Amino acid sequence: GAVVSQHPSWVICKSGTSVKIECRSLDFQATTMFWYRQFPKQSLMLMATSNEGSKATYEQGVEKDKFLINHASLTLSTLTVTSAHPEDSSFYICSAREWASGRDYNEQFFGPGTRLTVL
Amino acid sequence: AQSVTQLGSHVSVSEGALVLLRCNYSSSVPPYLFWYVQYPNQGLQLLLKYTSAATLVKGINGFEAEFKKSETSFHLTKPSAHMSDAAEYFCAVSSLSNAGGTSYGKLTFGQGTILTVHP
Repeated sequence: GAVVSQHPSWVICKSGTSVKIECRSLDFQATTMFWYRQFPKQSLMLMATSNEGSKATYEQGVEKDKFLINHASLTLSTLTVTSAHPEDSSFYICSAREWASGRDYNEQFFGPGTRLTVL
Repeated sequence: AQSVTQLGSHVSVSEGALVLLRCNYSSSVPPYLFWYVQYPNQGLQLLLKYTSAATLVKGINGFEAEFKKSETSFHLTKPSAHMSDAAEYFCAVSSLSNAGGTSYGKLTFGQGTILTVHP
């Protein structure tokens, strides 16, 4: 149980285009999802937190108009990188957690990540 | 505010030797602490977690960690390294300062430690 998937696993796009990344919880309802960015040989940096049905909360320094997050259902969150540039090239990882009886609310379940390369 | 420091970006051990990965944390509230493992181009897998119960925590794959409040440490150990343990390991601390709010359970990661196991 507690499986999180991401699609696509990798994407290459041209500078100026937009890219959408999906994060799905396959066997539980994700009341909260997190989006992280990981540059090569670096740690994960939290970009934003999204609760189902609410606007995402962005971390300081993350442009909300550039990184659009939608969490319209309990099993799906999307991250859209708008007008992508080469400096947006990174590994994007989502995680999800569930608010449910018997579930440790502090535990996040991570997706496999999406490698974005902007040419 | 919370932070995590992992001492040593690279650790190299021989197969069968003791693995010790160091993690020190800073938190203004009682912390929840986690160790995750990441294989190349993959997401994060939870190894173990400390959630204010037993200070010695056992995880998967033979790993364990001990929470030492006086030293603000949560070092990860494994008695005998296997080749399959070669990966990057992240220590993380969770915020509990805003229970039920969007910042509840936000993870702050350390810089990561790459473990190399040689024959």
